[in-house]
Amino acid sequence: QVRLQESGPGLVKPSQTLSLTCTVSGGSISTDGYYWSWIRQLPGKGLEWIAYINYSGSTYYNPSLKGRVTISVDTSQNQFSLNLRSVTAADTALYYCARERRSDYGNYFDPWGQGTLVTVSS
Amino acid sequence: DIQMTQSPSSLSASVGDRVTITCRASETISNYLNWYQQKPGKAPKLLIYSASSLQSGVPSRFSGSRSGPDFTLTISSLQPEDSATYYCQQSYSAPDTFGRGTKLEIK
Repeated sequence: QVRLQESGPGLVKPSQTLSLTCTVSGGSISTDGYYWSWIRQLPGKGLEWIAYINYSGSTYYNPSLKGRVTISVDTSQNQFSLNLRSVTAADTALYYCARERRSDYGNYFDPWGQGTLVTVSS
Repeated sequence: DIQMTQSPSSLSASVGDRVTITCRASETISNYLNWYQQKPGKAPKLLIYSASSLQSGVPSRFSGSRSGPDFTLTISSLQPEDSATYYCQQSYSAPDTFGRGTKLEIK
């Protein structure tokens, strides 16, 4: 069964870049029909989808993040990564990676990683 | 972005009760609606996809339906382990968006 695990610093200074990696185990990141997403849970504000990528590098970003985001994939390591630039305290959140199943009948996130808390503070 | 409105924001029910949670989108989303369960300290877990399809391994007391613009998650007979926050999510139009959640407590 596929498992996802986030890794990265738990504390980032304002104006710096938040960098996280998601390692996929139990299955290949290069499987057709799946995209790989980052989602964050903001304190008291619910869930916000950030971006997705597939194994060939096709990406889509949430316009709300105003061009601060880059997502990348490393198929040799079975990993994908998130970079969020120019962070502020508003980017403090629990960050999840998730596999997105995409089909003509809809898309859904399953499974999710356990999440990693990132705090933006000096 | 499509806004998802969930109701109620919280509820309390007893073991064995039938519980319904509703989600409405700000515009049409066909059946591109999913439901997730999140327990404290855990990641969300997929329960229902495409409005009414039960994810493998999810107990059959969970079901999803649609009536016009309203989507409903129903728990037919509430169990103690169902205490959690439930979220809806639309995948009809990017970016995917989530409801604000419904916190379900067991009396």
